[in-house]
Amino acid sequence: GAVVSQHPSWVICKSGTSVKIECRSLDFQATTMFWYRQFPKQSLMLMATSNEGSKATYEQGVEKDKFLINHASLTLSTLTVTSAHPEDSSFYICSARQGDAYGYTFGSGTRLTVV
Amino acid sequence: DQQVKQNSPSLSVQEGRISILNCDYTNSMFDYFLWYKKYPAEGPTFLISISSIKDKNEDGRFTVFLNKSAKHLSLHIVPSQPGDSAVYFCAAIAPNTGNQFYFGTGTSLTVIP
Repeated sequence: GAVVSQHPSWVICKSGTSVKIECRSLDFQATTMFWYRQFPKQSLMLMATSNEGSKATYEQGVEKDKFLINHASLTLSTLTVTSAHPEDSSFYICSARQGDAYGYTFGSGTRLTVV
Repeated sequence: DQQVKQNSPSLSVQEGRISILNCDYTNSMFDYFLWYKKYPAEGPTFLISISSIKDKNEDGRFTVFLNKSAKHLSLHIVPSQPGDSAVYFCAAIAPNTGNQFYFGTGTSLTVIP
């Protein structure tokens, strides 16, 4: 079946630095990728939707200059958390969709801790 | 505004018995619903889905029921197994929002051997 690889699975960074998270669809072309964030004991919250070759659409309240999303190819999307702060510590998960199908495949997630 | 709600944060069930996880939603435009299973520090994995034109979908031990008039869906797992212990999220999609997912807050299921 469809596989989405997310890397790294776990990262610790210093406050003020930037962290890049990669999401790759391994055996299919992902026309749309989604980035989610989950805080402890809360639901997955959609941060942004990106379509290959175009700018990402951010959800209300998500700073696009802080969370840079690039979807340069049909198999790769990246989320860069710029100038990270402790409050950005969270679990980030990507999801990829092929075409207009309802099939969404999730990555394994990235646990970000900012110290 | 939480459009998809799972009011039970946790559920414990004896092995072999039925697990029933509930989910309520407020947006009548939702036309597709999904259940995901999530282990700690892992991404959600798809379990089962149902279209709004159906009221039941079955896949092995998992059955999802949809009651559109009540805006309620439920996931039945029977018989429950210890490996089913995980957090279960229901999610809904409204086509007029670019197929954006709306997730519930999750229910942690513990199946006791």
